Amino acid sequence: DIQMTQSPSSLSASVGDRVTITCRASQGISNSLAWYQQKPGKAPKLLIYTASRLESGVPSRFSGSGSGTDYTLTISSLQPEDSATYYCQQYYTTQHYCCSPWTFGQGTKVEIK
Amino acid sequence: QVQLVESGGGVVQPGRSLKLSCAASGFTFSYYAIHWVRQSPGKGLEWVAVISYDGVHEYYADSMKGRFTISRDNSKNSVYLQMSSLRPEDTAMYYCAREGGEAFMVAPLDYWGQGTLVTVSS
Repeated sequence: DIQMTQSPSSLSASVGDRVTITCRASQGISNSLAWYQQKPGKAPKLLIYTASRLESGVPSRFSGSGSGTDYTLTISSLQPEDSATYYCQQYYTTQHYCCSPWTFGQGTKVEIK
Repeated sequence: QVQLVESGGGVVQPGRSLKLSCAASGFTFSYYAIHWVRQSPGKGLEWVAVISYDGVHEYYADSMKGRFTISRDNSKNSVYLQMSSLRPEDTAMYYCAREGGEAFMVAPLDYWGQGTLVTVSS
């Protein structure tokens, strides 16, 4: 199975700061990487897919980058409403519905100072 | 608008069974794979299972294989998760989510339900 290692586990930053979260896969995942935002008591929300494509309706201050095994989520100017936990997820497969379960990173809790 | 609504959660004793439902609306249900993802209290997300758009293919996380069964009824726009031999560690919020690509296109989870809470306790 592909393991996803996300860091940091938590961070605290001020409004307007640039925030970066990283995710490392245990093997190459060919940009099959999504980022989700989850607020307390709510379901996760898709932010980024295919490593760098912004989901419709997501503010442009969110961006994704990376390739191979290393990926990054960046919030260019942190806003109060960005306080949440962020998860990466790999959905790499050579044969759908088989052989490699989808896996999430451990999550990064972002707090506003 | 796309909606996924889970139901069927509750308190169940260890070793017993429970069946969760996920009712979908707002899109052509039979075109999309549906996943179950769970989240234990205060913990991260854990992928559980997926069923293909046509119900032919299923795939499970290793820890659920043999205990959980995913199924769907496209005539009722619904997906189900039959859980048996439940353990305290299965206590979690269970979410159903739509895989964003049609048919066999692999895609991330673009719409999620609000979740249904399963508590396994004696």
